[in-house]
Amino acid sequence: EAGVTQSPTHLIKTRGQQVTLRCSPISGHTSVYWYQQALGLGLQFLLWYDEGEERNRGNFPPRFSGRQFPNYSSELNVNALELEDSALYLCASSRDRYQPQHFGDGTRLSIL
Amino acid sequence: LAKTTQPISMDSYEGQEVNITCSHNNIATNDYITWYQQFPSQGPRFIIQGYKTKVTNEVASLFIPADRKSSTLSLPRVSLSDTAVYYCLVGESGTYKYIFGTGTRLKVLA
Repeated sequence: EAGVTQSPTHLIKTRGQQVTLRCSPISGHTSVYWYQQALGLGLQFLLWYDEGEERNRGNFPPRFSGRQFPNYSSELNVNALELEDSALYLCASSRDRYQPQHFGDGTRLSIL
Repeated sequence: LAKTTQPISMDSYEGQEVNITCSHNNIATNDYITWYQQFPSQGPRFIIQGYKTKVTNEVASLFIPADRKSSTLSLPRVSLSDTAVYYCLVGESGTYKYIFGTGTRLKVLA
């Protein structure tokens, strides 16, 4: 069974640009979660999608947004990039909110 | 805001049992407690999940007291390859936002 896949693995952007990160969940999983892991700040919850709807979001500004497609894959969009957005962005999926989340290996985003 | 705290680091020797505790004072009533292992440049890897009392699988045990304000991950007979950062994950009461613990860096010595 294929795990959660994320693309791209690495990305370099400059301040003010926009970026889109992609996630394919494990087959049969309908919930997708996004987390940010910045140096020194630990793992921070960003967004949760289930059945195509945004169910909850963490304490991040509106320039962090996303969506979930009918095939349950998901995108995370970040507008007006700032230096502090440099981080590892992790996607996870689960069968439902009560089942364990399984993570991909993330997209490393560097802002210059 | 929920505070989910763990010891920053722990050292152990090969073959010993390691217990890592997570304090989660504002856990959601209906949410599970999940533990993960993370190696550098990789995503967190699922270890074990529980709701209350004790859960055991082939690699770990999870102990959860009745008030669910803490949980303890137990790793029996650790090996060098268990050197990693360990995180707990809970849902926050009221908001149902997901909160990761602060992480515990475990170093296993030969």
